[in-house]
Order: sequence, then C-alpha cells, then structure tokens
Amino acid sequence: AQSVTQLGSHVSVSEGALVLLRCNYSSSVPPYLFWYVQYPNQGLQLLLKYTTGATLVKGINGFEAEFKKSETSFHLTKPSAHMSDAAEYFCAVSDRLTGGGNKLTFGTGTQLKVEL
Amino acid sequence: EAGVAQSPRYKIIEKRQSVAFWCNPISGHATLYWYQQILGQGPKLLIQFQNNGVVDDSQLPKDRFSAERLKGVDSTLKIQPAKLEDSAVYLCASSLVPEARNTEAFFGQGTRLTVV
Repeated sequence: AQSVTQLGSHVSVSEGALVLLRCNYSSSVPPYLFWYVQYPNQGLQLLLKYTTGATLVKGINGFEAEFKKSETSFHLTKPSAHMSDAAEYFCAVSDRLTGGGNKLTFGTGTQLKVEL
Repeated sequence: EAGVAQSPRYKIIEKRQSVAFWCNPISGHATLYWYQQILGQGPKLLIQFQNNGVVDDSQLPKDRFSAERLKGVDSTLKIQPAKLEDSAVYLCASSLVPEARNTEAFFGQGTRLTVV
C-alpha cells in the first residue's frame, strides 16, 4: 500500500524567503506524484505533477518540485514567498500499476503561513 | 469551462439524522470521486465511479454511507444515520480519461458537514 508523509504540519516563512515543503512517499514502485493547494473554504487545486521524464517539475504560481527516487521524495519549493501563498498544501500519489484511474492518496497537509 | 459543482456548501445536522450531498462533475468527465476530509487530515477516497459503475468503494462505510451516479453524470452521496465522527468536508472530484492514471482530477469546493 502506498503512503505519503509530509514533514511539518505548519511552516512559517517571511515574505520573500524560500518556501520548502517536504513530501516523502512509500511505494514499491515510484508512483505518480502531485502537489495540491487548498485555500480556506475552497477545493483542491493542482499545483504540479510528476509522471515521467524530467524530474524537476514546474507548476503554477512559481512553484516547482523535484522527484528524487533515491530519497523517495518530492519536495515542493518556491524561491520567494508571497503573502498570497498562504494556504494548505497537500502532497498526493497515485499508483502507476493498478487500474481505475488516478485514485489519490494524500498526505496530512502542511499549512503555510507567510509573514511580513 | 464550468468546474465541479457541489451542493450544499454547508450542512448542520443532528446525529442519527440523514443527509445527502450532490455533485455535478465537469461535462464529459467519465470518472467521479468522493473524498472525505476530516479536519487536520488529508482527503481520503470514499468511492470512485467510472461512468455509472463503481470502480472502488473499499473505503466507504457501507453500513451508513451510500452513493450513486445515475446516468453517469451527477452523483449523490448519502449518510444515514450520521455519527459525530462523520463531521468533515466532503469533496467531489472528476477526471476526463479513466484509463490514463496521470490525468488531473478537478475538485469541487466541497460540502462542510457538521454533526452535532
């Protein structure tokens, strides 16, 4: 069974500082990997995803993530935080091998706070 | 393009009452998912439909939860009778091509259920 671990349920950064949100997965075969953002009282919005090919993936709003198979990680970064980045971020995986579409297994989320 | 529509946005009921949530996916999306998001946790898949057939309902508490997707479009999720631990946000998502495991799932804004 797959699982996702997000280290740090709350992360606080200053505006303009680097954002680093950590995600590690547990799976016998590297899964498809996703990062979603959730603003208050909103649904989930896809930031970026890794399926195959280049391991550094660029997403919306200046975010990017790098798939590192040796570390079973898919950390999310942004060089310079903006106040509008304050939200909850979820890492998710889906199984490459089993059928039935992209059923997602989510981590527990990281609440990002951006301070002036 | 219209997104995934869910109603109601908020619902408060007493324990042992019944409740139903409605979801209208993006037009043409064959796959529909219902997720349960308990406060402080990541979303957990309850059930997945492909057209009007159930693909996976292994995590649906079938003694009290039921879901249907008549005609392969709209879907309803019902809880009867509700328990306090059912308090959560219920998210509906849809995706275009069920066979492609890396396709994006689009999420609705969710229904926040409070059981008192």
